[in-house]
Amino acid sequence: DTGVSQDPRHKITKRGQNVTFRCDPISEHNRLYWYRQTLGQGPEFLTYFQNEAQLEKSRLLSDRFSAERPKGSFSTLEIQRTEQGDSAMYLCASREASSGNTIYFGEGSWLTVV
Amino acid sequence: AQSVSQHNHHVILSEAASLELGCNYSYGGTVNLFWYVQYPGQHLQLLLKYFSGDPLVKGIKGFEAEFIKSKFSFNLRKPSVQWSDTAEYFCAVKRKTSYDKVIFGPGTSLSVIP
Repeated sequence: DTGVSQDPRHKITKRGQNVTFRCDPISEHNRLYWYRQTLGQGPEFLTYFQNEAQLEKSRLLSDRFSAERPKGSFSTLEIQRTEQGDSAMYLCASREASSGNTIYFGEGSWLTVV
Repeated sequence: AQSVSQHNHHVILSEAASLELGCNYSYGGTVNLFWYVQYPGQHLQLLLKYFSGDPLVKGIKGFEAEFIKSKFSFNLRKPSVQWSDTAEYFCAVKRKTSYDKVIFGPGTSLSVIP
């Protein structure tokens, strides 16, 4: 499968713990996005990378959230001191610069904070 | 702030019925418009997109959408739905002036009854 892959697919954690999600974009896609989706809602933009540079962050991304893309390939999204309100699906997407603005989504990582 | 609204939260249709899902956005500048679909248990997939030119856009699986600039609308249509069209449908908008932030609507859940 050469699509966007995310790991883990499901994560249950206790409140206060840290969690990290990984995203492997489609090969050679230089743009990578993180979105969050809760039940009954559309995906909400969190942050975006062009290569290794993080170009935009949503106000939704509190200081407990940090995203990196150190080598311009895979990306990680870390949530520190998780809260129950962090429970959601975290979606990663990618695109190449010349793809006509079509972004391709991964299957998401479900986070449940108990 | 830019926003995307979708007229219906949940639509129920019988097979062969015609479908129209409404989408409106609030941004007045030049935009790119998208419809994504999320089948049960699957990731978001692009149905169709509008960047410029003919405002009537044809997508996959018999879907089409019409961009009406004066109404800030991008409604999705299909003349005859099938049971396999049961899914969540998301309208999305990207401002041409923004780096890459795609804003999604809240989604419309379509249930097609055989």
